[in-house]
Amino acid sequence: DTGVSQDPRHKITKRGQNVTFRCDPISEHNRLYWYRQTLGQGPEFLTYFQNEAQLEKSRLLSDRFSAERPKGSFSTLEIQRTEQGDSAMYLCASSLDDTQYFGPGTRLTVL
Amino acid sequence: AQKVTQAQTEISVVEKEDVTLDCVYETRDTTYYLFWYKQPPSGELVFLIRRNSFDEQNEISGRYSWNFQKSTSSFNFTITASQVVDSAVYFCALRPSGTYKYIFGTGTRLKVLA
Repeated sequence: DTGVSQDPRHKITKRGQNVTFRCDPISEHNRLYWYRQTLGQGPEFLTYFQNEAQLEKSRLLSDRFSAERPKGSFSTLEIQRTEQGDSAMYLCASSLDDTQYFGPGTRLTVL
Repeated sequence: AQKVTQAQTEISVVEKEDVTLDCVYETRDTTYYLFWYKQPPSGELVFLIRRNSFDEQNEISGRYSWNFQKSTSSFNFTITASQVVDSAVYFCALRPSGTYKYIFGTGTRLKVLA
């Protein structure tokens, strides 16, 4: 197993476009998390899945953001009608317990 | 309010010096969990340690040690005999019991100079 993978690694889009990111967790991990990280800041919690159930979601996550984890395996994070303020690194992590394993992230730039 | 404060934005030390990274947290929960993560220049965060609120015993792992003091709401991290490979951003995080919303501090950038 090679760890948590994320695709794409970089995404440049124009304001108003929709984008979708994918996260493949470590295969036996039932917990999956999405975070957003901007320059000079720590990761900011977005949402948490246990298997396929989305159990927690940050109030910071507006209606433009949605995440899914069908069949409790990979997860997708979609941002609709992107804004320049969405530019950030989007991190995915997975775990069996409190030891989270992070992926390399997807860097989003909204022009 | 739940909050993690890492007041040191950046620290520079010379190799072999000891360095302590400070972490102060706020929570009203009696049960909670504290963490440290390392983010090297390559970018991926790496888990270092987890501590629950009922275990105030200090921990040592090689050159790393952690000092948890509930009385001051602090969970400080010390690197002994620092090495260039320790250069990274270090994050302290809090998870209150009953939620999986991890709260991260803003991080401390450690530069170890040869």
